[in-house]
Parts: sequence; structure tokens; C-alpha cells
Amino acid sequence: KNEVEQSPQNLTAQEGEFITINCSYSVGISALHWLQQHPGGGIVSLFMLSSGKKKHGRLIATINIQEKHSSLHITASHPRDSAVYICAANIRSGGSNYKLTFGKGTLLTVNP
Amino acid sequence: NAGVTQTPKFQVLKTGQSMTLQCAQDMNHNSMYWYRQDPGMGLRLIYYSASEGTTDKGEVPNGYNVSRLNKREFSLRLESAAPSQTSVYFCASSEMARGLNEKLFFGSGTQLSVL
Repeated sequence: KNEVEQSPQNLTAQEGEFITINCSYSVGISALHWLQQHPGGGIVSLFMLSSGKKKHGRLIATINIQEKHSSLHITASHPRDSAVYICAANIRSGGSNYKLTFGKGTLLTVNP
Repeated sequence: NAGVTQTPKFQVLKTGQSMTLQCAQDMNHNSMYWYRQDPGMGLRLIYYSASEGTTDKGEVPNGYNVSRLNKREFSLRLESAAPSQTSVYFCASSEMARGLNEKLFFGSGTQLSVL
């Protein structure tokens, strides 16, 4: 079982809809990243969170450390938001060492 | 400021051939990484380098070698390519601080096919 689980795997929305992508993890972490990957494109870091909430434009990321859960929200979604969204958790791997473990990604398609 | 530059973008190899994927970053980061991305699976760490002169195995190191030539450059070598190494490869860098991964920067990826 992957230590980082994302849901849903695929998400189709109409332009303007509010989008939520979820990420849960099973062990203690020091931080969680949200990444965006456009089709055929590179990977861009959106957020790094260790607590609370961060906002950048129409994107909002939240994390609940106690519940081991993070969400990425997109307000007023647009076709250009269509991409794969990946969460990655910095998981303790022994002592003071951490390793970055990636979810499998959520493919978001926003239709005009 | 180019960020992370990765070459080549595409490569086709025959089984048994060797090749080196090049990666360079101009952000003075200490940490550099090589990942592979396969359909239906998350990014998986092949090797990483926490600082110049050090390298460590990740989750899937078999069949690969790496060199941290200097602070800027981190190359990945396939000595004898196998079809199982067909994948998209990403180089990344970060300024590791206080045991945390700070913001990650990725190269544009290399699509490798081994026939």
C-alpha cells in the first residue's frame, strides 16, 4: 500500500466549478508538497505545507496534521488548470531522516 | 536563470546500449535527485545527492549509476539499458534545510525508450 494516497484518480469538471483534490498519508511527515504536471510538460511545485493553509491566486492548499490529510482546492476552475496534480509527503524514514514519497497523481480535466 | 536543465528530451536505445542523462542547476542548491515516472505509479526516486561529493540510493537504483560532478551537475548513467528502464526521467533540485525539502525544482524530463 502506498504511504501517500490521492483521490480521485481522475476528475472532470466544467469551467467555473470549485475543485477539490485530496491527499492522505499514513505516517508522520514534516511537510507536504503539491505539484502540477501539464500533459507532456514538466513538473512545477505549487505549494509546500507543514501546517495550516496557503493560497496562491485561485489555488488553496490546506493540511490537517492530526488527520494526516491535505487538500488542494481550485476556485473558478479554467481549462488551463487541466493537468495532473501530485502530492508528495516528506515522510520520516528513520532517525532524523526523511524521504519524499509521491502519490500517483490526480488527472484533472476542465471543460469549457 | 535557467533553473534545472536536463538533456536529452528524448532518447531511443537498444537493449544493452549505454547512455548518460545530464542534469544541471544554476540555483546553488545542495540537493539533487533523479526520479522515474511510470504510468499508474508515482514518481520514484532512483538516486539522490544531498551535497557535492555524496550520492545515495533511492527506491529503485538497480541498473543505474550517478555522478555528482560538482555542485551544479548530477548525471544518471544506464550502463546496459533494459526494456524495463523505458520511462520518463526527471531531475530535480532543492535547497534542503533543517531536514525539510524546500521547494522542489524539476527539469523538463527525458522520455527514454529501450527497445
